[in-house]
Amino acid sequence: GAVVSQHPSWVICKSGTSVKIECRSLDFQATTMFWYRQFPKQSLMLMATSNEGSKATYEQGVEKDKFLINHASLTLSTLTVTSAHPEDSSFYICSALAVGETQYFGPGTRLLVL
Amino acid sequence: GENVEQHPSTLSVQEGDSAVIKCTYSDSASNYFPWYKQELGKGPQLIIDIRSNVGEKKDQRIAVTLNKTAKHFSLHITETQPEDSAVYFCAATRGSDMRFGAGTRLTVKP
Repeated sequence: GAVVSQHPSWVICKSGTSVKIECRSLDFQATTMFWYRQFPKQSLMLMATSNEGSKATYEQGVEKDKFLINHASLTLSTLTVTSAHPEDSSFYICSALAVGETQYFGPGTRLLVL
Repeated sequence: GENVEQHPSTLSVQEGDSAVIKCTYSDSASNYFPWYKQELGKGPQLIIDIRSNVGEKKDQRIAVTLNKTAKHFSLHITETQPEDSAVYFCAATRGSDMRFGAGTRLTVKP
């Protein structure tokens, strides 16, 4: 149980294009999901908290107009990186909050912007 | 806000030996402490967790201890195997607010 999927697992795009990443909780409902960014050999950096049916809460320094988050259902949250640039290249990981405050993570999406 | 410190940053052990990773936290209101294992190119996987009303928890070769007074908790892996090699993250949680340590890269040499 407690499986979280992400799609795509990796994506390469040209600078200036937008990329959408999906995060799904497969066997449980999650009113809250989280989006993290991870640079090589570093810890996870929380970008935003995604709440079903309401606006996401962004961490300080994260541009909400650049990283659009939509949590339209209890099992799906999406992160759209708008007008992506090479500095947005990173490993993006989502997690879903289950009962008991446990976060279960997806497998991550590696984004490379050329 | 919560601040989680994790030590050591790297740890190398011989197969069969034990490994210990330690974390401290600053917010006394934190009440849930999970440990995650992250293999290269993958998302973190929950391996064990402990709540503030428990001092120790064990699951086969993995154990976690919590000292609420000192605000520190530790991960113990016994009889390490090469497949235990990964990056391990501790976290301290209050409600939905989870803060991670910087991670420990564990290498188990066969």
